Amino acid sequence: QVQLVESGGGVVQPGRSLRLSCAASGFTFSNYGMHWVRQAPGQGLEWVAVMWYGGTDKEKYADSVKGRFTISRDNSKNTLYLQMNSLRADDTAVYYCTRELELEAYGMDVWGQGTTVTVSS
Amino acid sequence: DIVMTQSPDSLAVSLGERATINCKSSQSVLYNSNNKNYLAWYQQKPGQPPKLLIYWASTRESGVPDRFSGSGSGTDFTLTITSLQAEDVAVYHCQQYYNSPRTFGQGTKLEIK
Repeated sequence: QVQLVESGGGVVQPGRSLRLSCAASGFTFSNYGMHWVRQAPGQGLEWVAVMWYGGTDKEKYADSVKGRFTISRDNSKNTLYLQMNSLRADDTAVYYCTRELELEAYGMDVWGQGTTVTVSS
Repeated sequence: DIVMTQSPDSLAVSLGERATINCKSSQSVLYNSNNKNYLAWYQQKPGQPPKLLIYWASTRESGVPDRFSGSGSGTDFTLTITSLQAEDVAVYHCQQYYNSPRTFGQGTKLEIK
């Protein structure tokens, strides 16, 4: 079945790095743009980054993470990554991986269960 | 960036009654070329990821009960739940996918009165 499974979360000190992974299965990975969306405790959803498969403008980032986070994908492994550097306390959140059909978007129709990142000294 | 604003922030409705949640975008999310509104609604139950309910402002995702409906166009949208059920307790989020960055409303918490 269609599935997204995140991993890599944990507790990390401010200023350190963490790499999240999202394993996709059950669908054609190359047909989808892949997003990271986060949710701080008790807060709403915040879009973090997207990587499209095709096109020229493949990566985009929220201003809050630009220059610190890097999104990438390994299409041979059907896996999405988020490299998070210089982590701050306000990066503490559940990080979700989600997909969006690239050629005709209709929202984010599949979400992973999320992985929790806690930035604390 | 397109700012999405939902109202109210929280809502308590009796079982079997109607719940209405509003979402306003800071600019139109209607593409004139295909006359589609690039607006989605998500339901998020406690401890779970969001679930896509409605896209194109009014199209229900497969498997979503027909008591959920979406309406509106341009900048003003509404999610309506007719005959509220206990399992509808959740936070509801609107989101635009008209352009980047994708942006969400702040969420509306729906409870049973």
